[in-house]
Amino acid sequence: GAVVSQHPSRVICKSGTSVKIECRSLDFQATTMFWYRQFPKQSLMLMATSNEGSKATYEQGVEKDKFLINHASLTLSTLTVTSAHPEDSSFYICSAVELAGGPHEQYFGPGTRLTVT
Amino acid sequence: GQNIDQPTEMTATEGAIVQINCTYQTSGFNGLFWYQQHAGEAPTFLSYNVLDGLEEKGRFSSFLSRSKGYSYLLLKELQMKDSASYLCAVMDSNYQLIWGAGTKLIIKP
Repeated sequence: GAVVSQHPSRVICKSGTSVKIECRSLDFQATTMFWYRQFPKQSLMLMATSNEGSKATYEQGVEKDKFLINHASLTLSTLTVTSAHPEDSSFYICSAVELAGGPHEQYFGPGTRLTVT
Repeated sequence: GQNIDQPTEMTATEGAIVQINCTYQTSGFNGLFWYQQHAGEAPTFLSYNVLDGLEEKGRFSSFLSRSKGYSYLLLKELQMKDSASYLCAVMDSNYQLIWGAGTKLIIKP
């Protein structure tokens, strides 16, 4: 089956630093990747939609200059949290839609736990 | 606005059956998903319904009524490992997933 990986799985960083999270589709090409954030005991919140070769579309309330998304290839999207603050501590999850699949063929990565101290 | 409603928490007994309901109001409809999410992990896909009716997959079944904006996930022969959150999500007319807050299912021996 389709596999999506994320790296790192956990990261602890100091306030003010930047953190990059990678999302890779391992055995398929993904036209679209989604980035979600999930706070404890809450549902997933879509942050942005990333299409290969074009600018990401950010959801209302998500700062595009703080959360930089690059979808450079059909198998890789990166999310960079710039100047991280403790309130950015969260579980970040990416998902990828397979190029050859239908719109419902969305596969999730295992998530990245970010802790900002 | 768009809205997905599901119970916050449910408790059931090992070996029993539990039904988790989900009602929705969205801008367009391109299918309804159920995901399972264990604590600290990403969601895993359980089912996808786009037509009315019941889809059965092993111990799990999912039902959809588009006219009523209603779905349920039915779990049979509950096992302790089924303790998790179950997320209902609807794909809207823009093919974006609208997520419910999830139902935390607690299984007791």
